Amino acid sequence: DTEVTQTPKHLVMGMTNKKSLKCEQHMGHRAMYWYKQKAKKPPELMFVYSYEKLSINESVPSRFSPECPNSSLLNLHLHALQPEDSALYLCASSQDLLAATYNEQFFGPGTRLTVL
Amino acid sequence: KQEVTQIPAALSVPEGENLVLNCSFTDSAIYNLQWFRQDPGKGLTSLLLIQSSQREQTSGRLNASLDKSSGRSTLYIAASQPGDSATYLCAVCSQAGTALIFGKGTTLSVSS
Repeated sequence: DTEVTQTPKHLVMGMTNKKSLKCEQHMGHRAMYWYKQKAKKPPELMFVYSYEKLSINESVPSRFSPECPNSSLLNLHLHALQPEDSALYLCASSQDLLAATYNEQFFGPGTRLTVL
Repeated sequence: KQEVTQIPAALSVPEGENLVLNCSFTDSAIYNLQWFRQDPGKGLTSLLLIQSSQREQTSGRLNASLDKSSGRSTLYIAASQPGDSATYLCAVCSQAGTALIFGKGTTLSVSS
């Protein structure tokens, strides 16, 4: 099973709302990622968790707050977003961030976020 | 700094044609290269991963090659079908402990 699941599929929120995106994998992977993708652009890395610890933060604004409650779950908490934050948010996982040669990434279907 | 380029940006072919998508990278010191497929508004599907020590990988009608010394990879699609229409992205892992660096993709359209 190479499935990464994400909920919700679509989310519309106002600039004063607080919401969360969820990601889950049951492949025993120890690295999990959040990417942001705008239309007709490649994915942009936001955060990487390795063994449930934040390993990479690509200078993401604090209105995005990641959380890794356990090795299978990854959350992205959203607060006071701007309309320009509207995008497809993708979660991915891989076996081990440091096992670079074999580190195949598997992506979820994404959450389409619209900020009004 | 590693940069990944994909040419062409878009490609239209008739059904049944064999085709090649190109990916180039500026720093040959990579750990692996991965090809993905993305349908509009969807997530990425991993097609093939080529480790740095490998020259090619095959899956069904897909064959990906890697030439590290020249900084190039190609994705060969045999006997293309309308269902192959999608955007194809290549990405490289340049450093252990870091994430992938993506190209901008090639959007493929196969007409019946």
